[in-house]
Amino acid sequence: NAGVTQTPKFRILKIGQSMTLQCTQDMNHNYMYWYRQDPGMGLKLIYYSVGAGITDKGEVPNGYNVSRSTTEDFPLRLELAAPSQTSVYFCASSFRGLIVEETQYFGPGTRLLVL
Amino acid sequence: QQPVQSPQAVILREGEDAVINCSSSKALYSVHWYRQKHGEAPVFLMILLKGGEQKGHDKISASFNEKKQQSSLYLTASQLSYSGTYFCGTENTGNQFYFGTGTSLTVIP
Repeated sequence: NAGVTQTPKFRILKIGQSMTLQCTQDMNHNYMYWYRQDPGMGLKLIYYSVGAGITDKGEVPNGYNVSRSTTEDFPLRLELAAPSQTSVYFCASSFRGLIVEETQYFGPGTRLLVL
Repeated sequence: QQPVQSPQAVILREGEDAVINCSSSKALYSVHWYRQKHGEAPVFLMILLKGGEQKGHDKISASFNEKKQQSSLYLTASQLSYSGTYFCGTENTGNQFYFGTGTSLTVIP
């Protein structure tokens, strides 16, 4: 199993450009998450999904969009990039059932610089 | 909504013990603990569900006081490999997940 994979690893964007951060998991997890981590800070939840076709906003969703057409993929779309979106983005997945909750497995992260 | 961790930073000598606290203003469903090394993704340590349980493996354990909305992580006989930033993650009943402010732990020989 590859676990959670993210692409690209690093990207530089100009202000106003758009891009999609890719996230794929091969563990058949139902829950997936997108976080951002600013330098020296903790992680903040951007969006999450409880299953294919279902997404919901987290703590800091403005400026981002997500979709979940399959169990495996959870891309994050940045529209009109702004310098405030310079951050490290982590995708994570977990399995949750009625009485079972498992750890979140994290991808290696995407470093984004908006200039 | 973000849980508050204390202390913000701690320096230990190998073999010493440490306690990291995590406190939330909201009722909690679960608490997760992660360790993150510089430039890497967070790595899971353990999950505690509501019920006041305590968990542990090796020399790292944690407790969860549901009534006080607090959790503590206990590291005993610290090793150099324990260095990193420790985050608690808390979830309330609304599926919202919040990471704490982080505690930087440095273990020196």
